[in-house]
Amino acid sequence: DSGVTQTPKHLITATGQRVTLRCSPRSGDLSVYWYQQSLDQGLQFLIQYYNGEERAKGNILERFSAQQFPDLHSELNLSSLELGDSALYFCASSQSSYNEQFFGPGTRLTVL
Amino acid sequence: AQRVTQPEKLLSVFKGAPVELKCNYSYSGSPELFWYVQYSRQRLQLLLRHISRESIKGFTADLNKGETSFHLKKPFAQEEDSAMYYCALGGSGGYQKVTFGTGTKLQVIP
Repeated sequence: DSGVTQTPKHLITATGQRVTLRCSPRSGDLSVYWYQQSLDQGLQFLIQYYNGEERAKGNILERFSAQQFPDLHSELNLSSLELGDSALYFCASSQSSYNEQFFGPGTRLTVL
Repeated sequence: AQRVTQPEKLLSVFKGAPVELKCNYSYSGSPELFWYVQYSRQRLQLLLRHISRESIKGFTADLNKGETSFHLKKPFAQEEDSAMYYCALGGSGGYQKVTFGTGTKLQVIP
């Protein structure tokens, strides 16, 4: 078990809604990464935080936002949801940007 | 632009046959390259990275800067190698985004 936890496991919601995905990194890891995995796009890097600060940004839509809290857990907020946002959302953590990333089990989001 | 290409969506080989999963990258700086693996119903996990130059589960990968490639190889495939393999690229020297390839599903036929 890598130690990264994500909640919820599954989320079903409607278009136009807003959801929050939560990630708790491994103990001692300061970096948190968010990824979106859909069938046609593969694994897409969204954003990275290090010790509460945003460090790198990938293909994250303006409707999406994230933050990392003082206790190092992170939340990914998805708003004005569209059908195309249905995907698996992974969180990963590492000690720093140079280290191996440890992945969580993912949250499966279904937008109806 | 930072890009990773894994040209094969699916690679089927017989048990005992050699395996080569292709990965090509595009990056202007000094790259850090990784292979991640996802076995059925398990989490994505690191298999190996080029800076450690080690062999994990019989797999090796050599960074070829001239050909901008980081192919994953194993001389004799095992059934337990069947999984999804992702090549990933990060930049060195600071906080850089990580780009994953689209993945190659390796199917080892018994």
